[in-house]
Amino acid sequence: AQTVTQSQPEMSVQEAETVTLSCTYDTSESNYYLFWYKQPPSRQMILVIRQEAYKQQNATENRFSVNFQKAAKSFSLKISDSQLGDTAMYFCAFMKRHSGNTPLVFGKGTRLSVIA
Amino acid sequence: DTAVSQTPKYLVTQMGNDKSIKCEQNLGHDTMYWYKQDSKKFLKIMFSYNNKELIINETVPNRFSPKSPDKAHLNLHINSLELGDSAVYFCASSQNSGSTGELFFGEGSRLTVL
Repeated sequence: AQTVTQSQPEMSVQEAETVTLSCTYDTSESNYYLFWYKQPPSRQMILVIRQEAYKQQNATENRFSVNFQKAAKSFSLKISDSQLGDTAMYFCAFMKRHSGNTPLVFGKGTRLSVIA
Repeated sequence: DTAVSQTPKYLVTQMGNDKSIKCEQNLGHDTMYWYKQDSKKFLKIMFSYNNKELIINETVPNRFSPKSPDKAHLNLHINSLELGDSAVYFCASSQNSGSTGELFFGEGSRLTVL
């Protein structure tokens, strides 16, 4: 079974600064997806960024980027120029990639507070 | 238009009651899910349906019964509610064939059992 570990239950960062959220995972699969989802106080789950395991290039979405280390099974999220609206729970998630549907497996989340 | 919609968004009820949460997606996806988020924010898969067929049924009490009348709808019925059922329940959908892997979530339904 796949497991996802987020070792930082809470983090804080000053507005405009950069912060990195850690995630490691355990799997015997070679073909999979990794995701970061954001859950603000509104409760909505929002996709932040997505990485396909076969792609060596790290995914980037505006101020959000990942450091994907496949051999180390590590998938950290870097948020640059942090904004107050980035305050949220952040979940790292794993999904096997094959012809059938498989569920997302989530880490326990990191609560990020952006401080003015 | 909301892509994945759940009703009700809030539900407060007494122990022992039976309640349902409805979910509809207008994305044309063929797979739908129910996740439970506990008080510590941990998200755990409960059920998954693909084209109305139950695919995943995790270790969930028999009091929970999902029903998918068509591939755009996945409802969750809970019998004999217990205090431990209090949680936020998320419905989600994805496109299985040619999938990018992304799940689209509803806004969640917060269930409080008194």
